[in-house]
Amino acid sequence: TQLLEQSPQFLSIQEGENLTVYCNSSSVFSSLQWYRQEPGEGPVLLVTVVTGGEVKKLKRLTFQFGDARKDSSLHITAAQPGDTGLYLCAGTDSWGKLQFGAGTQVVVTP
Amino acid sequence: KAGVTQTPRYLIKTRGQQVTLSCSPISGHRSVSWYQQTPGQGLQFLFEYFSETQRNKGNFPGRFSGRQFSNSRSEMNVSTLELGDSALYLCASSLSTGNTGELFFGEGSRLTVL
Repeated sequence: TQLLEQSPQFLSIQEGENLTVYCNSSSVFSSLQWYRQEPGEGPVLLVTVVTGGEVKKLKRLTFQFGDARKDSSLHITAAQPGDTGLYLCAGTDSWGKLQFGAGTQVVVTP
Repeated sequence: KAGVTQTPRYLIKTRGQQVTLSCSPISGHRSVSWYQQTPGQGLQFLFEYFSETQRNKGNFPGRFSGRQFSNSRSEMNVSTLELGDSALYLCASSLSTGNTGELFFGEGSRLTVL
């Protein structure tokens, strides 16, 4: 059973479109991270959010941490083929363990 | 500086065998964590080592074990391999323990059990 549920599992869009992926849990996390993993590589950290309600922007990517610190979203504006990858959210639970979601596979076609 | 290095990158074993995977963290990083990644389950936490001590452990059977050496390099071992152990095993290093900081992942060791 995944502590963090990510949706959708798979997303295929055309270049220039917007997309949002979600990360939800019934548990509260002290912090939440988003990683992107490309084929044949390990995940790479995109952002860490720590405060409920926090919004962080990284160029065309916008990350939001829910007020109750149980959920998060990642929004990509004007997606490009280079945004293709597996997006993973990870939360630090009350035992200090970093728990990952199963990921959302994003494919952006030219 | 050099990233996290995992060896071997690919390996094939048969049921009942055992396997040892190696991980060299980024220089200066003392924490090493191991994860199992499968398409259906995503990344599952195996264990974390810091200064040669296991600090945290996931919900895996005792067939999965690990250790860390004084130079922070880490190994994980899986004994009596089962088909379900086929997965990508990822190692990640970080400056501090507790998995609250950024994890730097290696490219993984892809294990296939036949």
